[in-house]
Amino acid sequence: QSALTQPASVSGSPGQSITISCTGTSSDVGGYNYVSWYQQHPGKAPKLMIYDVSNRPSGVSNRFSGSKSGNTASLTISGLQAEDEADYYCSSYTSSSTHVFGTGTKVTVL
Amino acid sequence: QVQLVQSGAEVKKPGASVKVSCKASGYTFTGYYMHWVRQAPGQGLEWMGWINPNSGGTNYAQKFQGRVTMTRDTSISTAYMELSRLRSDDTAVYYCARVTRHIVVVPAARDGMDVWGQGTTVTVSS
Repeated sequence: QSALTQPASVSGSPGQSITISCTGTSSDVGGYNYVSWYQQHPGKAPKLMIYDVSNRPSGVSNRFSGSKSGNTASLTISGLQAEDEADYYCSSYTSSSTHVFGTGTKVTVL
Repeated sequence: QVQLVQSGAEVKKPGASVKVSCKASGYTFTGYYMHWVRQAPGQGLEWMGWINPNSGGTNYAQKFQGRVTMTRDTSISTAYMELSRLRSDDTAVYYCARVTRHIVVVPAARDGMDVWGQGTTVTVSS
């Protein structure tokens, strides 16, 4: 199972919106609405930000939103803040009843 | 509160095995699938497998088939991940992570992971 494809880095100024893509196949992202997004700060465990493509867990800011079209899922961060600077990973359930993570995206707040 | 507490750091020689524990508290251990994920230094997240704490059923990433064993002890609400025939490239932080929703709500370990352990550093070096 190959890792889902994400851009290595995305940057934006405070207050701007950015979007991170996550491209898979019809056997994972395109085949199921079980795409999740995780935020990871250096030295910390990942934190769930989005599940089921577009649902936010309790306590996650509504500045984070998710969507999917075909084999590509997306995470949008609106009103970018300094605290959003982190690594972001997508993941998807697959047709083999396994999971696969994305390659990861480093978000920089300029 | 819901939490997962993992065992401490390990240093192993190539060819040895390591067993990492993950003790759950604050929820019904047998009601939620548990995943294991690792992260090599400076690298991304890598999914290793899941265990159904109720049945003991497992599913492993193909990459780890034959080398990884995930088990659980329901009497102490603890999940285990054992990796054998260690190599230097197994050096990583290993995480356990619980799925978001109860097995009855979302079957087959499809769910995202909303509770993570603190991570266990495993260093493989001669």
